[in-house]
Amino acid sequence: KNQVEQSPQSLIILEGKNCTLQCNYTVSPFSNLRWYKQDTGRGPVSLTIMTFSENTKSNGRYTATLDADTKQSSLHITASQLSDSASYICVVSPQDQDRGSTLGRLYFGRGTQLTVWP
Amino acid sequence: ETGVTQSPTHLIKTRGQQVTLRCSSQSGHNTVSWYQQALGQGPQFIFQYYREEENGRGNFPPRFSGLQFPNYSSELNVNALELDDSALYLCASSSRVAGAPNTGELFFGEGSRLTVL
Repeated sequence: KNQVEQSPQSLIILEGKNCTLQCNYTVSPFSNLRWYKQDTGRGPVSLTIMTFSENTKSNGRYTATLDADTKQSSLHITASQLSDSASYICVVSPQDQDRGSTLGRLYFGRGTQLTVWP
Repeated sequence: ETGVTQSPTHLIKTRGQQVTLRCSSQSGHNTVSWYQQALGQGPQFIFQYYREEENGRGNFPPRFSGLQFPNYSSELNVNALELDDSALYLCASSSRVAGAPNTGELFFGEGSRLTVL
């Protein structure tokens, strides 16, 4: 069964601190893994996307890692800001062997709810 | 701003009613995907439309149906509403190239919040 599990479910940190969010997946065959940031009641916004051959990708203060062998990914946030308070969702896209590309058929984790306190 | 707009932003229906949600995709995008996100959960894939045809469907019953128009905008229709249909409905647009790896960017709208009473 294709699944995406995230931990922790929620996290509270102080402004300026770093944190790391985890994602484990069983989606197969694997195509790519994405991290999204979703503010409450809003649509998700893409942070990073990584394919099988990529181990690390950065986007400003966000750094994502991928170990395709162990099917694990992490999202590291440095020097957190109050605006980082949001849900961070790990999303895995399978390869579509029949139709070549089904970009929208994604498997979402439940997200990690991050709260940054001043 | 992702260039993807959804309407309405909020609506309230009662059990048994029908609802239509609309999505205008980003200019140049030929693919629209719909997702249901219950409170505290990750989005669940409903279906995807590519060039006006359904191209993949998740585990949702037939009372969830869709449509894509020649301008690539899309509708999600839900018949015989149930209480569990209360959720945030997200659409995402993308540009698909047949046979190409699915590593393209997905752009999400802000969602339509449906409450079923």
